[in-house]
Amino acid sequence: NAGVTQTPKFRILKIGQSMTLQCTQDMNHNYMYWYRQDPGMGLKLIYYSVGAGITDKGEVPNGYNVSRSTTEDFPLRLELAAPSQTSVYFCASQGARSNEQYFGPGTRLTVT
Amino acid sequence: EDQVTQSPEALRLQEGESSSLNCSYTVSGLRGLFWYRQDPGKGPEFLFTLYSAGEEKEKERLKATLTKKESFLHITAPKPEDSATYLCAVQAGGSYIPTFGRGTSLIVHP
Repeated sequence: NAGVTQTPKFRILKIGQSMTLQCTQDMNHNYMYWYRQDPGMGLKLIYYSVGAGITDKGEVPNGYNVSRSTTEDFPLRLELAAPSQTSVYFCASQGARSNEQYFGPGTRLTVT
Repeated sequence: EDQVTQSPEALRLQEGESSSLNCSYTVSGLRGLFWYRQDPGKGPEFLFTLYSAGEEKEKERLKATLTKKESFLHITAPKPEDSATYLCAVQAGGSYIPTFGRGTSLIVHP
């Protein structure tokens, strides 16, 4: 099992550009999450999904969009990149029976 | 609103010097309290889940305990490889979404 994988590992965007952060899990987990982590600020929830076709906003959804067409994949879309979106992004998944989360290795995004 | 506060923000220990990290929480009906370890440049890695006051879990030099208001992560005779940021998270009853604390950065000097 690969667990949770994320691509790319690093990315530099110019202001106004768009990109998609990819996330895939192979544990057949229903729940998936996107977080951003800024220095000293902990993990902030952006969007989450309880299953294919179902998504909902978290604490900081502005400037982002998600989709969940399959159980395995949960991509995060940035439409018009802004410097405030410079951060490290983590995807996580969670099984229906166990409550702990499994995290991917993260994507470090810089917007200049 | 669910809240999770971790202290201290940073902790420096000498190898072999035991200590504890604190996670205090306010939540309506605790469903679970989680400890994660995060190494620099990596995603958090699950350590423990605690469900009810009085519960304890152990793994190598780490022991997590839980009361009705807080959890402690005790580190016994730490080694430099225990250096990491330790994150605490809580799930309230009826919710599967955890609330994370800001973490404690632990550095263990040889």
